[in-house]
Amino acid sequence: EVQLLESGGGLVQPGGSLRLSCAASGFTFSSYAMNWVRQAPGKGLEWVSAIGDSGISTFYAASVKGRFTISRDNSKNTLYLQMHSLRAEDTAVYYCAKDTQPLVPEGGNYWGQGTLVTVSS
Amino acid sequence: QSVLTQPPSASATPGQRVSISCSGSSSNIGSNFVYWYQQLPGTAPKLLIYRNNQRPSGVPDRFSGSKSGTSASLAISGLRSDDEADYYCETWDDSLSGRVFGGGTKLTVL
Repeated sequence: EVQLLESGGGLVQPGGSLRLSCAASGFTFSSYAMNWVRQAPGKGLEWVSAIGDSGISTFYAASVKGRFTISRDNSKNTLYLQMHSLRAEDTAVYYCAKDTQPLVPEGGNYWGQGTLVTVSS
Repeated sequence: QSVLTQPPSASATPGQRVSISCSGSSSNIGSNFVYWYQQLPGTAPKLLIYRNNQRPSGVPDRFSGSKSGTSASLAISGLRSDDEADYYCETWDDSLSGRVFGGGTKLTVL
């Protein structure tokens, strides 16, 4: 059974940093691209970032480029999202999602339950 | 403002068929696969349709997807009360070099 467990969310001040993790199990982690998707309170889904199976290819939404860094450790079956210079508008539930493809993200077929990030003073 | 345009709401009675549209452009829907997700209140999104019209195992055949040009649609037949949820379309955008979601459609089963 595919399982994705996000952690690392919490309350952070504007301008602060946070690192999210997503522990994966139940599939060959190193064979699939992975994604981060967020959802602000009461709003729709917003794709944030993706990374190819080997970790070489990375992709970012314009709203986070230069502030967020996605990475993965295939030896630990774990996906990360390092977030810097956080803003109030980054407040959201962050979901980790396994992609259906290995290299260029196409869509998520399994999703974690999400971790809440709140940016506020 | 979302890159993909969905109606904010849709409604129908149990047993009826409802269709949700997703409009894009040549750089996204027109040249890439479309995915559809269902999000029940308070839960994570669930994949309903991948690659325009393919159903993952476990998704009932009441759900179907189609694509024509720069638009896509999700159809739900034999509507049930537990189909009441938010539905999102999603695809890759070549101009943005990233994935894009529609704004979501809230389906109400009357």
